[in-house]
Amino acid sequence: AQSVTQLDSQVPVFEEAPVELRCNYSSSVSVYLFWYVQYPNQGLQLLLKYLSGSTLVESINGFEAEFNKSQTSFHLRKPSVHISDTAEYFCAVSERIQGAQKLVFGQGTRLTINP
Amino acid sequence: DTAVSQTPKYLVTQMGNDKSIKCEQNLGHDTMYWYKQDSKKFLKIMFSYNNKELIINETVPNRFSPKSPDKAHLNLHINSLELGDSAVYFCASSQGSGPGGEQFFGPGTRLTVL
Repeated sequence: AQSVTQLDSQVPVFEEAPVELRCNYSSSVSVYLFWYVQYPNQGLQLLLKYLSGSTLVESINGFEAEFNKSQTSFHLRKPSVHISDTAEYFCAVSERIQGAQKLVFGQGTRLTINP
Repeated sequence: DTAVSQTPKYLVTQMGNDKSIKCEQNLGHDTMYWYKQDSKKFLKIMFSYNNKELIINETVPNRFSPKSPDKAHLNLHINSLELGDSAVYFCASSQGSGPGGEQFFGPGTRLTVL
């Protein structure tokens, strides 16, 4: 079975500072990786995903993540964060089971941006 | 223009009661899911339906019974509620059940069992 580990439960940073949220996965098959974001009192929204091709994927709001097969990692980075980035971030791996997609989530990382 | 909606948003009830949560999506998707998010924010899939057919059923107590009357709806009925059922329940949908598809999540239903 696949699993995801997010190494930091909470990450506090100052506004305009860079940030990295770490994610490691275990998988014995083809890997499809996702980052979802959950703003306070809302559902999850897809931030970015890696399916194949270029190992560096980007979102429209400045986040990027790099798939590293040798280190089994998919860390999320942003060079300069904004107050509005305060949210819970979930890394997930997609597992195919019984002909369906099953997302296996990490424990989540709470990103808090301080002014 | 809500994509995935859930009702109710909040549900407070006593132990032993039976309750239902409704989910509707207007995205034309053919696959729908129920997830449970516990107090530590850990998210775990419970069920998945594709074209009204149950395709994923994780190790969930059989007090939980999903029902999909059509592709746009997936309801969750819970019998004999227990304290440990308190959580936020999220509905989600996707087009197809391939491994790379994006899942769209509803706003969640916070269930509190007293």
